[in-house]
Order: sequence, then C-alpha cells, then structure tokens
Amino acid sequence: AQTVTQSQPEMSVQEAETVTLSCTYDTSESDYYLFWYKQPPSRQMILVIRQEAYKQQNATENRFSVNFQKAAKSFSLKISDSQLGDAAMYFCAYTGGFKTIFGAGTRLFVKA
Amino acid sequence: DTAVSQTPKYLVTQMGNDKSIKCEQNLGHDTMYWYKQDSKKFLKIMFSYNNKELIINETVPNRFSPKSPDKAHLNLHINSLELGDSAVYFCASSQAGFSGGANEQYFGPGTRLTVT
Repeated sequence: AQTVTQSQPEMSVQEAETVTLSCTYDTSESDYYLFWYKQPPSRQMILVIRQEAYKQQNATENRFSVNFQKAAKSFSLKISDSQLGDAAMYFCAYTGGFKTIFGAGTRLFVKA
Repeated sequence: DTAVSQTPKYLVTQMGNDKSIKCEQNLGHDTMYWYKQDSKKFLKIMFSYNNKELIINETVPNRFSPKSPDKAHLNLHINSLELGDSAVYFCASSQAGFSGGANEQYFGPGTRLTVT
C-alpha cells in the first residue's frame, strides 16, 4: 500500500528567509502524481505545486519549488522569500490511479 | 464563480440524527471525492466517483452513503450520526490525468460537522 510521510509536524521560518518541508512516499507504481497543498486557517485546501512522476525536471511555481528524487521517493517543498501569508498547514499528497493519499501535514509558522 | 461548493458549511446535530451534505462542481471534471479531516488535521479519502461510478470506497461505516446523480454532483448522506463523526468533510473534484488516473484536486470549502 502507498504511504506518505511528513516527518516535520511543525516548522518555523523568518520572513524573507527560505524553508524546506520534507515528504517521503512509498509506492510500487511507476506512473503517479505528487502534490503540495496548503491549508490556511480558513481551512480551504489550495494547490501549491504539482509534479508528474515521469518528469525529471523539478516543478517551480514562483517562490515555490520542489526537489523530486524519484529513486529515493522524496518530494520536498522549498519556499523562498517566505511571507506572512505562507503560514499554514502544508500537505504532501500522492495520487496513483484515482486514489490520493495525504501526509499528516506540516504546520508552518512565519515570524515577522 | 465558485468552482467546488458545499452546503452547509456548518452543521450541528444530535446523535442518532440523519444528515446530508451536498457538493457541486462547475469545472466539468469527471471525478469527485469525499474526504474526512479529523481534529488532528489528518485528511483521509472516503469515497471517489468517476463519471458517476463509485471507484473507491475506503473502510467507511455503511452509515455513510454517497450519491452521484450526475458528474457535477456528489452528495453524502450520513445515518444515525455518532460523536466520532464530528469532523470537517471536504468534497473535491479532478479531471482524469495522462495515465487515466486523477489529476490535481480542487477542494470545496469544507463542512464542519459537530455531533452532540
């Protein structure tokens, strides 16, 4: 069975600094997607970034980028130039077929 | 324009009651989901429908019954509510991706269910 592990329950970063959130997963499939979702206090789930497993190039969306290591089954999220609005729960997610499995989440605090 | 909407956003009810949560998406997606998020923020899939057909049914009590009248709607009916059903329930939708599986999901605002 597939699993997703986020080993950092909480992280803290100074405004304008860079922070990396970790995620590892386990699967025997070759085709799948990986995602990072953000959940601010409003509880709305917002897609941050996506990565197709067949693509070797790491995805980037403005200040957000991933380090996708397929062999190591690692999918970390880097947030550059952190802003107060980045404070939220961040969930790593794996999608294979029609099933999506979420990690337990990392709560990110941003200090002014 | 709301992409994925859920009603109601808050639901407070007593044990033993039956309640429904409605979900609609206007994105033209072919796959819809129900998730449960517990008090520790853990998000777990409950059901998944593709083109109105049930394709994923996780270990969920049969008191929970999803219904998809068409591709744009997926409702969740809960019978005989229990205290442990208190959680936030999210509806989501997606379009099948390159491998036939699901692509990124768009979530509704969630329904906070409180059972007293």
